[in-house]
Amino acid sequence: KQEVTQIPAALSVPEGENLVLNCSFTDSAIYNLQWFRQDPGKGLTSLLLIQSSQREQTSGRLNASLDKSSGRSTLYIAASQPGDSATYLCAVMRTSYDKVIFGPGTSLSVIP
Amino acid sequence: NAGVTQTPKFRILKIGQSMTLQCTQDMNHNYMYWYRQDPGMGLKLIYYSVGAGITDKGEVPNGYNVSRSTTEDFPLRLELAAPSQTSVYFCASRRVDGYGYTFGSGTRLTVV
Repeated sequence: KQEVTQIPAALSVPEGENLVLNCSFTDSAIYNLQWFRQDPGKGLTSLLLIQSSQREQTSGRLNASLDKSSGRSTLYIAASQPGDSATYLCAVMRTSYDKVIFGPGTSLSVIP
Repeated sequence: NAGVTQTPKFRILKIGQSMTLQCTQDMNHNYMYWYRQDPGMGLKLIYYSVGAGITDKGEVPNGYNVSRSTTEDFPLRLELAAPSQTSVYFCASRRVDGYGYTFGSGTRLTVV
């Protein structure tokens, strides 16, 4: 059974710092991995999707990497801003027609 | 705007009452999902559908029912509401290839 964990559970950093969020999954046979952002009281927004054949994806100040063999993904946020404060969740899919398995999320606070 | 629309946004139910949470998407996505999110907790899958006429149970289906008569609509029915069903409910949809994962803004339900 696939399990997804995220470390740390919460993170507080001063504005301008670069930071890394970690995601681990127990079954390396995945179809893709996604990173989502959830603002308080809101639904999730997809940030980046990495297919199993890819090693990383970039969007603006965000860079996500995937190492299937070790069951790990990282989300790198460069030059953090207060507007980046949110909960970040990673999620994996075993096949294109399978359910998505979400991690518990990392709550990020960027202090001005 | 294209996306996933959920109604109502808020609702208070008395124990034993029933209600339907509505979800509709206009992106022609085959896959649709219902999640619940309890305070400070991760997402739990209630039911999902891979296409019109096809539904399946997720992790926590007890006390809920769904139907999928069209591609666009995926209503969630609560029968005999219980306090344990107090939660925020999210509907989501995605493309068959795994891209385009889109969440609705959520329904905050309180059962008293």
